[in-house]
Amino acid sequence: EPEVTQTPSHQVTQMGQEVILRCVPISNHLYFYWYRQILGQKVEFLVSFYNNEISEKSEIFDDQFSVERPDGSNFTLKIRSTKLEDSAMYFCASSGRPGLNRYEQFFGPGTRLTVL
Amino acid sequence: AQKVTQAQTEISVVEKEDVTLDCVYETRDTTYYLFWYKQPPSGELVFLIRRNSFDEQNEISGRYSWNFQKSTSSFNFTITASQVVDSAVYFCALSEAPIQGAQKLVFGQGTRLTINP
Repeated sequence: EPEVTQTPSHQVTQMGQEVILRCVPISNHLYFYWYRQILGQKVEFLVSFYNNEISEKSEIFDDQFSVERPDGSNFTLKIRSTKLEDSAMYFCASSGRPGLNRYEQFFGPGTRLTVL
Repeated sequence: AQKVTQAQTEISVVEKEDVTLDCVYETRDTTYYLFWYKQPPSGELVFLIRRNSFDEQNEISGRYSWNFQKSTSSFNFTITASQVVDSAVYFCALSEAPIQGAQKLVFGQGTRLTINP
């Protein structure tokens, strides 16, 4: 069964540093997403990406965030200058498998980001 | 605006009991999609079900069943004969019509379900 993978599983960084979270979506999927979950809270949408551009972004996704699909397989989330409040689990998801379940989003295992 | 409310923050039952997790949603769209995801202690999000707004048929999958009622904007989830392995946080989510095919999921706060042996 194909799956979404994310690296690293845990990233610790100092406030103000840049981080890049990496995701490899399922190979024939067309739509890609980032969500975050602050510890103990609900999962929140950050951004969706299709055809090499952002489809939609939330108000959380400010100028400090950017996404990229640099090589046709990886999908990255960059946080330029991390803040303490960026500490969260970041989930990548993909969807768009042709067929009946086209809109089912498959989630990766998450990257836990800790900003010190 | 879209909103999902899971009023039950935590539920604890004894194994083999039936348990229902409530989900109430708000949306202005006539076309929308409802989902349930399971988040076990390991942290990943596991897809359970997707329903579109035109399909009010209830669904059963093994011990799991879902009751979708548009009249009350609810999409409740029942686990029959619960097992310890069902212990997890369960999230209900809503998505409105896709933008260029991409669908933003709006999640509820989640219900932490503990099944005691």
